[in-house]
Amino acid sequence: LAKTTQPISMDSYEGQEVNITCSHNNIATNDYITWYQQFPSQGPRFIIQGYKTKVTNEVASLFIPADRKSSTLSLPRVSLSDTAVYYCLVQNSSASKIIFGSGTRLSIRP
Amino acid sequence: SAVISQKPSRDICQRGTSLTIQCQVDSQVTMMFWYRQQPGQSLTLIATANQGSEATYESGFVIDKFPISRPNLTFSTLTVSNMSPEDSSIYLCSVESKYNEQFFGPGTRLTVL
Repeated sequence: LAKTTQPISMDSYEGQEVNITCSHNNIATNDYITWYQQFPSQGPRFIIQGYKTKVTNEVASLFIPADRKSSTLSLPRVSLSDTAVYYCLVQNSSASKIIFGSGTRLSIRP
Repeated sequence: SAVISQKPSRDICQRGTSLTIQCQVDSQVTMMFWYRQQPGQSLTLIATANQGSEATYESGFVIDKFPISRPNLTFSTLTVSNMSPEDSSIYLCSVESKYNEQFFGPGTRLTVL
């Protein structure tokens, strides 16, 4: 499984767009990228998943360049409730288990 | 999506004892996963539990310390055996959907004195 690297922490303010970048230099052809969000005292929650280019859902967008060695989670117009830890993971399409990296602790201020 | 419950939600145990954590899913799933999350840390995968077969443990985790049962497609247990304070952690189970996203239970917060 490819190792991921992401910033330990980030700060932003309500209403701003937040972009969290993750590097995964050793990503394999069959791997795809998934992001999870975890609030204190809760289990992680799936946010978004993608293989290449751009994916958008009701909560976030995921940008993946052509070489797929990195990805960027974009959270539009964050609010205080977006304060959480965000994990970037690389998953293999033929294997179910996932390995969590260190995550990015995002703090949103008023 | 899958709804997962865990029991107990938290417990305080004495050194040397064992605790069994239950994980119940509201639908049938092939694989279930057990994680440990120490305070302020990321999640570490303990093992993968398939129904009808032995669990597959990750490096650093052994069956004698963390025996797992998977009697059917909706239930699993993880036992933390012969506990020490270093086992104090949050233990989470998860399942995978057919769309390759994982759903996690709320976790069991274990404190070992």
